[in-house]
Amino acid sequence: GNSVTQMEGPVTLSEEAFLTINCTYTATGYPSLFWYVQYPGEGLQLLLKATKADDKGSNKGFEATYRKETTSFHLEKGSVQVSDSAVYFCALKTGGSYIPTFGRGTSLIVHP
Amino acid sequence: DADVTQTPRNRITKTGKRIMLECSQTKGHDRMYWYRQDPGLGLRLIYYSFDVKDINKGEISDGYSVSRQAQAKFSLSLESAIPNQTALYFCATSDLQGVGDNEQFFGPGTRLTVL
Repeated sequence: GNSVTQMEGPVTLSEEAFLTINCTYTATGYPSLFWYVQYPGEGLQLLLKATKADDKGSNKGFEATYRKETTSFHLEKGSVQVSDSAVYFCALKTGGSYIPTFGRGTSLIVHP
Repeated sequence: DADVTQTPRNRITKTGKRIMLECSQTKGHDRMYWYRQDPGLGLRLIYYSFDVKDINKGEISDGYSVSRQAQAKFSLSLESAIPNQTALYFCATSDLQGVGDNEQFFGPGTRLTVL
Protein backbone atom coordinates (compact mmCIF):
# COMPACT_ATOMS: atom_id res chain seq x y z
CA GLY A 1 0.00 0.00 0.00
CA ASN A 2 0.88 3.67 -0.05
CA SER A 3 2.52 5.48 2.83
CA VAL A 4 4.16 8.83 3.55
CA THR A 5 6.74 9.46 6.25
CA GLN A 6 7.59 12.97 7.41
CA MET A 7 10.12 14.16 9.92
CA GLU A 8 8.64 14.73 13.32
CA GLY A 9 8.27 18.23 14.62
CA PRO A 10 8.14 20.75 15.85
CA VAL A 11 10.83 22.33 13.75
CA THR A 12 11.87 25.57 15.41
CA LEU A 13 13.84 28.16 13.43
CA SER A 14 14.81 31.79 13.61
CA GLU A 15 13.58 34.15 10.94
CA GLU A 16 15.66 34.03 7.72
CA ALA A 17 16.97 30.53 8.47
CA PHE A 18 17.00 27.77 5.85
CA LEU A 19 14.23 25.22 6.07
CA THR A 20 14.14 21.56 5.11
CA ILE A 21 11.26 19.25 5.97
CA ASN A 22 11.93 15.69 4.89
CA CYS A 23 9.31 13.52 3.21
CA THR A 24 9.75 10.01 1.88
CA TYR A 25 7.13 7.73 0.42
CA THR A 26 6.26 4.23 -0.68
CA ALA A 27 3.69 3.78 -3.41
CA THR A 28 2.20 1.18 -5.69
CA GLY A 29 2.29 2.77 -9.08
CA TYR A 30 3.58 6.15 -10.08
CA PRO A 31 2.42 8.83 -7.64
CA SER A 32 1.79 12.53 -7.84
CA LEU A 33 3.26 14.31 -4.83
CA PHE A 34 1.91 17.25 -2.86
CA TRP A 35 2.74 19.58 0.00
CA TYR A 36 -0.18 21.10 1.87
CA VAL A 37 0.07 23.81 4.51
CA GLN A 38 -2.27 24.39 7.46
CA TYR A 39 -2.07 27.83 9.04
CA PRO A 40 -3.36 28.20 12.61
CA GLY A 41 -7.14 27.94 12.77
CA GLU A 42 -7.52 27.09 9.10
CA GLY A 43 -7.97 24.09 6.84
CA LEU A 44 -5.26 22.63 4.65
CA GLN A 45 -4.41 24.30 1.37
CA LEU A 46 -2.20 23.17 -1.44
CA LEU A 47 1.28 24.65 -1.31
CA LEU A 48 2.89 22.91 -4.28
CA LYS A 49 2.84 19.69 -6.26
CA ALA A 50 4.85 17.61 -8.72
CA THR A 51 3.50 14.95 -11.01
CA LYS A 52 6.55 13.22 -12.47
CA ALA A 53 10.15 12.40 -11.62
CA ASP A 54 12.56 15.36 -11.47
CA ASP A 55 9.71 17.87 -11.54
CA LYS A 56 10.15 20.77 -9.13
CA GLY A 57 7.10 22.29 -7.53
CA SER A 58 7.41 25.81 -6.18
CA ASN A 59 5.24 28.44 -4.53
CA LYS A 60 5.71 31.31 -2.05
CA GLY A 61 9.48 30.68 -1.96
CA PHE A 62 9.04 27.00 -1.11
CA GLU A 63 10.39 24.28 -3.39
CA ALA A 64 10.30 20.50 -3.55
CA THR A 65 11.78 18.15 -6.15
CA TYR A 66 10.27 14.77 -7.03
CA ARG A 67 13.13 12.29 -6.55
CA LYS A 68 12.08 8.88 -7.79
CA GLU A 69 15.45 7.26 -7.08
CA THR A 70 15.27 8.15 -3.39
CA THR A 71 11.43 8.18 -3.18
CA SER A 72 11.57 11.60 -1.60
CA PHE A 73 9.90 15.00 -1.89
CA HIS A 74 11.65 17.23 0.64
CA LEU A 75 10.30 20.73 1.21
CA GLU A 76 12.81 23.61 1.28
CA LYS A 77 12.81 27.35 1.70
CA GLY A 78 15.86 29.54 1.68
CA SER A 79 14.71 32.14 4.21
CA VAL A 80 11.71 31.51 6.42
CA GLN A 81 9.48 34.19 7.88
CA VAL A 82 7.38 34.27 11.02
CA SER A 83 4.32 34.04 8.77
CA ASP A 84 5.50 30.61 7.58
CA SER A 85 4.70 29.15 11.01
CA ALA A 86 2.20 26.40 10.24
CA VAL A 87 1.81 22.63 9.93
CA TYR A 88 3.06 21.12 6.67
CA PHE A 89 1.69 17.88 5.23
CA CYS A 90 3.29 15.76 2.55
CA ALA A 91 0.85 13.68 0.50
CA LEU A 92 0.68 11.42 -2.53
CA LYS A 93 -1.91 10.11 -4.95
CA THR A 94 -1.44 7.23 -7.35
CA GLY A 95 -3.11 6.86 -10.72
CA GLY A 96 -5.46 4.12 -9.63
CA SER A 97 -6.61 5.77 -6.41
CA TYR A 98 -8.83 8.77 -5.87
CA ILE A 99 -7.84 9.02 -2.21
CA PRO A 100 -4.66 10.82 -1.16
CA THR A 101 -2.33 9.42 1.48
CA PHE A 102 -1.14 12.05 3.95
CA GLY A 103 1.87 12.13 6.20
CA ARG A 104 1.36 12.99 9.87
CA GLY A 105 2.33 16.61 9.42
CA THR A 106 5.32 18.64 10.61
CA SER A 107 4.83 21.72 12.73
CA LEU A 108 7.09 24.68 11.89
CA ILE A 109 7.62 27.47 14.40
CA VAL A 110 9.56 30.52 13.25
CA HIS A 111 10.78 33.00 15.86
CA PRO A 112 11.54 36.67 15.10
CA ASP B 1 -16.90 33.82 0.01
CA ALA B 2 -15.30 30.54 1.04
CA ASP B 3 -15.65 27.69 -1.45
CA VAL B 4 -15.98 24.97 1.22
CA THR B 5 -17.84 25.86 4.40
CA GLN B 6 -18.41 23.87 7.55
CA THR B 7 -20.92 24.37 10.33
CA PRO B 8 -20.61 24.62 13.23
CA ARG B 9 -17.01 25.78 13.62
CA ASN B 10 -16.93 24.75 17.26
CA ARG B 11 -19.15 22.40 19.23
CA ILE B 12 -19.08 21.09 22.76
CA THR B 13 -21.39 18.20 23.53
CA LYS B 14 -21.89 15.42 26.05
CA THR B 15 -21.32 11.70 25.79
CA GLY B 16 -24.24 9.91 24.16
CA LYS B 17 -25.58 12.90 22.24
CA ARG B 18 -26.21 12.79 18.49
CA ILE B 19 -24.20 15.37 16.57
CA MET B 20 -24.31 16.44 12.93
CA LEU B 21 -21.54 18.33 11.21
CA GLU B 22 -22.40 19.93 7.90
CA CYS B 23 -20.34 20.73 4.84
CA SER B 24 -21.32 22.78 1.81
CA GLN B 25 -19.30 23.62 -1.28
CA THR B 26 -19.69 26.01 -4.19
CA LYS B 27 -16.85 24.56 -6.27
CA GLY B 28 -19.11 22.25 -8.27
CA HIS B 29 -17.01 19.23 -7.34
CA ASP B 30 -18.47 15.74 -7.32
CA ARG B 31 -16.07 14.25 -4.80
CA MET B 32 -16.37 15.03 -1.09
CA TYR B 33 -14.53 13.70 1.95
CA TRP B 34 -14.62 13.80 5.73
CA TYR B 35 -11.39 13.62 7.74
CA ARG B 36 -10.51 13.91 11.39
CA GLN B 37 -7.26 15.39 12.63
CA ASP B 38 -5.69 14.41 15.93
CA PRO B 39 -2.35 15.66 17.27
CA GLY B 40 0.46 13.41 16.13
CA LEU B 41 -1.80 11.31 13.93
CA GLY B 42 -2.26 13.60 10.97
CA LEU B 43 -5.41 13.28 8.86
CA ARG B 44 -7.49 10.14 8.84
CA LEU B 45 -10.26 9.51 6.34
CA ILE B 46 -13.72 8.79 7.77
CA TYR B 47 -15.99 8.63 4.71
CA TYR B 48 -15.93 9.76 1.11
CA SER B 49 -18.43 10.19 -1.68
CA PHE B 50 -17.82 10.43 -5.42
CA ASP B 51 -21.36 11.50 -6.29
CA VAL B 52 -24.79 11.83 -4.70
CA LYS B 53 -25.49 8.09 -4.91
CA ASP B 54 -22.04 6.96 -3.82
CA ILE B 55 -20.89 6.57 -0.18
CA ASN B 56 -17.70 4.78 0.88
CA LYS B 57 -16.12 4.02 4.24
CA GLY B 58 -12.68 5.30 5.02
CA GLU B 59 -10.17 3.92 7.47
CA ILE B 60 -12.02 5.00 10.63
CA SER B 61 -15.76 4.92 9.88
CA ASP B 62 -16.91 3.14 13.06
CA GLY B 63 -19.14 5.39 15.14
CA TYR B 64 -19.83 7.74 12.22
CA SER B 65 -22.37 7.95 9.41
CA VAL B 66 -22.76 10.32 6.48
CA SER B 67 -25.41 11.67 4.16
CA ARG B 68 -24.89 13.18 0.72
CA GLN B 69 -27.97 15.31 0.37
CA ALA B 70 -26.92 16.98 -2.88
CA GLN B 71 -23.82 17.48 -4.96
CA ALA B 72 -22.95 20.45 -2.76
CA LYS B 73 -23.75 19.01 0.67
CA PHE B 74 -22.16 16.23 2.69
CA SER B 75 -23.01 15.76 6.37
CA LEU B 76 -21.23 13.74 9.02
CA SER B 77 -23.14 12.35 12.00
CA LEU B 78 -22.00 10.94 15.29
CA GLU B 79 -24.93 8.82 16.41
CA SER B 80 -23.81 8.59 20.03
CA ALA B 81 -20.79 10.75 20.71
CA ILE B 82 -17.97 9.48 22.91
CA PRO B 83 -14.98 11.39 24.35
CA ASN B 84 -12.41 9.81 22.00
CA GLN B 85 -14.27 11.43 19.11
CA THR B 86 -12.99 14.76 20.35
CA ALA B 87 -11.00 16.05 17.38
CA LEU B 88 -10.79 18.57 14.56
CA TYR B 89 -12.98 17.53 11.63
CA PHE B 90 -12.37 18.61 8.04
CA CYS B 91 -14.49 18.38 4.94
CA ALA B 92 -12.72 18.38 1.58
CA THR B 93 -13.64 18.30 -2.10
CA SER B 94 -11.92 17.44 -5.35
CA ASP B 95 -12.97 17.36 -8.96
CA LEU B 96 -13.38 14.54 -11.45
CA GLN B 97 -10.86 15.68 -14.02
CA GLY B 98 -7.80 13.51 -13.91
CA VAL B 99 -7.07 10.96 -11.28
CA GLY B 100 -3.57 11.31 -9.96
CA ASP B 101 -2.78 14.96 -9.74
CA ASN B 102 -5.91 16.81 -8.74
CA GLU B 103 -5.67 18.54 -5.38
CA GLN B 104 -8.16 18.57 -2.53
CA PHE B 105 -9.83 21.73 -1.23
CA PHE B 106 -10.47 21.85 2.50
CA GLY B 107 -13.01 23.60 4.66
CA PRO B 108 -11.93 25.55 7.74
CA GLY B 109 -12.67 22.68 10.14
CA THR B 110 -15.04 21.95 13.02
CA ARG B 111 -13.55 21.59 16.48
CA LEU B 112 -15.65 19.03 18.36
CA THR B 113 -15.30 18.37 22.08
CA VAL B 114 -17.17 15.48 23.66
CA LEU B 115 -17.34 15.67 27.45
